[in-house]
Amino acid sequence: EADIYQTPRYLVIGTGKKITLECSQTMGHDKMYWYQQDPGMELHLIHYSYGVNSTEKGDLSSESTVSRIRTEHFPLTLESARPSHTSQYLCASSGGPGTVYSPLHFGNGTRLTVT
Amino acid sequence: AQTVTQSQPEMSVQEAETVTLSCTYDTSENNYYLFWYKQPPSRQMILVIRQEAYKQQNATENRFSVNFQKAAKSFSLKISDSQLGDTAMYFCAFQDGSEKLVFGKGTKLTVNP
Repeated sequence: EADIYQTPRYLVIGTGKKITLECSQTMGHDKMYWYQQDPGMELHLIHYSYGVNSTEKGDLSSESTVSRIRTEHFPLTLESARPSHTSQYLCASSGGPGTVYSPLHFGNGTRLTVT
Repeated sequence: AQTVTQSQPEMSVQEAETVTLSCTYDTSENNYYLFWYKQPPSRQMILVIRQEAYKQQNATENRFSVNFQKAAKSFSLKISDSQLGDTAMYFCAFQDGSEKLVFGKGTKLTVNP
């Protein structure tokens, strides 16, 4: 079944650690996105990609980085985690080749806590 | 820049009743899409319904329907025969040719038994 997967689901780490949040989709979507969301609050776009080797920063400034080496994979990395990074991170994808205005498919999210 | 406003941070409704969630947006574009997404507690965000701006007919998906008023830039969601499983955060979203979605702040809906 086509879907979008995020791992880990929950992560508790100490300050200063390097972490990578994984996101993979099996739908062949060109576009992928990372959103940051505090519990019960609005979503903020932090990174997006419209295809392989294409990445852009979103509307909310973030100290994280992303890469898009394969169509299906869009990992997010924090080089040195801080308590201010504590949040939920949602990955999403949309659109097969040539499609426009397609809805987002979301993963289950990674809830990150930095102590 | 486009903005999406959801003026109701929280709402509640009795089971089996009807509730309407409001959403307004601001854009100078003529072609765009509007969406309602549902995020149940600790669960995946899913698409509820979408509306193409060039279509005058309001979209409907089972118990969910929208009232799209293009001139007023309004896009409300009506949930009929509310069920306990409808309890969730509901986000209104706007998408133009840039293909990035702009989300509202969300409305927390509680369906009471």
